Amino acid sequence: EAQVTQNPRYLITVTGKKLTVTCSQNMNHEYMSWYRQDPGLGLRQIYYSMNVEVTDKGDVPEGYKVSRKEKRNFPLILESPSPNQTSLYFCASRREEYSPLHFGNGTRLTVT
Amino acid sequence: EDQVTQSPEALRLQEGESSSLNCSYTVSGLRGLFWYRQDPGKGPEFLFTLYSAGEEKEKERLKATLTKKESFLHITAPKPEDSATYLCAVQLYTGNQFYFGTGTSLTVIP
Repeated sequence: EAQVTQNPRYLITVTGKKLTVTCSQNMNHEYMSWYRQDPGLGLRQIYYSMNVEVTDKGDVPEGYKVSRKEKRNFPLILESPSPNQTSLYFCASRREEYSPLHFGNGTRLTVT
Repeated sequence: EDQVTQSPEALRLQEGESSSLNCSYTVSGLRGLFWYRQDPGKGPEFLFTLYSAGEEKEKERLKATLTKKESFLHITAPKPEDSATYLCAVQLYTGNQFYFGTGTSLTVIP
């Protein structure tokens, strides 16, 4: 089954404790991206990647890092999480530049 | 500033009561407008892409239309299983950014 898989689904952590959210897609898509979804603000892009070793900032990149060492994986790293990063995070992939996004089922992160 | 606005925020319909959801946008260089459905606890699921004014797409009880300033998602004779949040997003010709609206939460009552 074609899918985008995120782990974990739920994560509670404390301020300053480094964490990684994994994302993997099995569709051989070129493009991958991370979004956060907050009430009243909608989905906002954090980072995106156009191919292996090619990444760029989205609208809200502060406090996040990404890497794309393999085509199928695109982890999101929070090196020093803060409470304002409490949110619902989605990884997405797309086949080509103007293709629709395919989303994972989300990771709900709480930072206390 | 590029902006995408959806209305209404929430909509309650009786089963069989047709209605429309609106997505208005103020962007320069629209490449495509996308509609997604999002169920609680899940990621958005792709429904339609529209590329040019006058274009229409249909899928079961849903029909999406596009003008130069807005898009409508028409729901004909909805069923309870159509209850979800519907999101629209625009993509510009620059390609790598999608701008999402905040969604319309649809509830269809049996």
